Amino acid sequence: EAGVTQFPSHSVIEKGQTVTLRCDPISGHDNLYWYRRVMGKEIKFLLHFVKESKQDESGMPNNRFLAERTGGTYSTLKVQPAELEDSGVYFCASSQQGGALYEQYFGPGTRLTVT
Amino acid sequence: AQSVAQPEDQVNVAEGNPLTVKCTYSVSGNPYLFWYVQYPNRGLQFLLKYITGDNLVKGSYGFEAEFNKSQTSFHLKKPSALVSDSALYFCAVKYNTDKLIFGTGTRLQVFP
Repeated sequence: EAGVTQFPSHSVIEKGQTVTLRCDPISGHDNLYWYRRVMGKEIKFLLHFVKESKQDESGMPNNRFLAERTGGTYSTLKVQPAELEDSGVYFCASSQQGGALYEQYFGPGTRLTVT
Repeated sequence: AQSVAQPEDQVNVAEGNPLTVKCTYSVSGNPYLFWYVQYPNRGLQFLLKYITGDNLVKGSYGFEAEFNKSQTSFHLKKPSALVSDSALYFCAVKYNTDKLIFGTGTRLQVFP
């Protein structure tokens, strides 16, 4: 079974540019999560999809971030325009079911550097 | 506010010695606790979780963790460390929600 995959693995962009990150969850996993780790700090929750619907987007930092999951399969996270403070590692995770009992399976992350 | 603390940025241990990576949490009610490990250039891998029941939880790669409600701790342990255990370890908690609340991570370095 393939794990969670993320693309690209690294992205370096200039302030003001746009970047789109992609996440492919484990096949059959309806729940998809985005997290972010800013250098040396904790990993913070961004949002949660159940199929194509946003279940919880309380962690999205501002309206420069747009997440989509059309068709309930892969998800994209767009940052537009990017700012220096957006630099960090963006993780995607998926789980077959939601709820506190179930562990989430994480992808390798996308390292975003905004210069 | 719900939070997780990992008080040590780095833990150094000699191969063959026991290791402990500390985690404390601040959550009202009954938490669900998790440990994840990140090897270089890899994603976070699930190690173990505490939901309810026996306070000692056994997980992957010989790791275990002990839930201590009175001390609000969930320390990760292994009786005999391996060089291959060197990685970044994250403690996390869920409480009445799907989202994981993580600590800042502890880098474990096992020396031969």
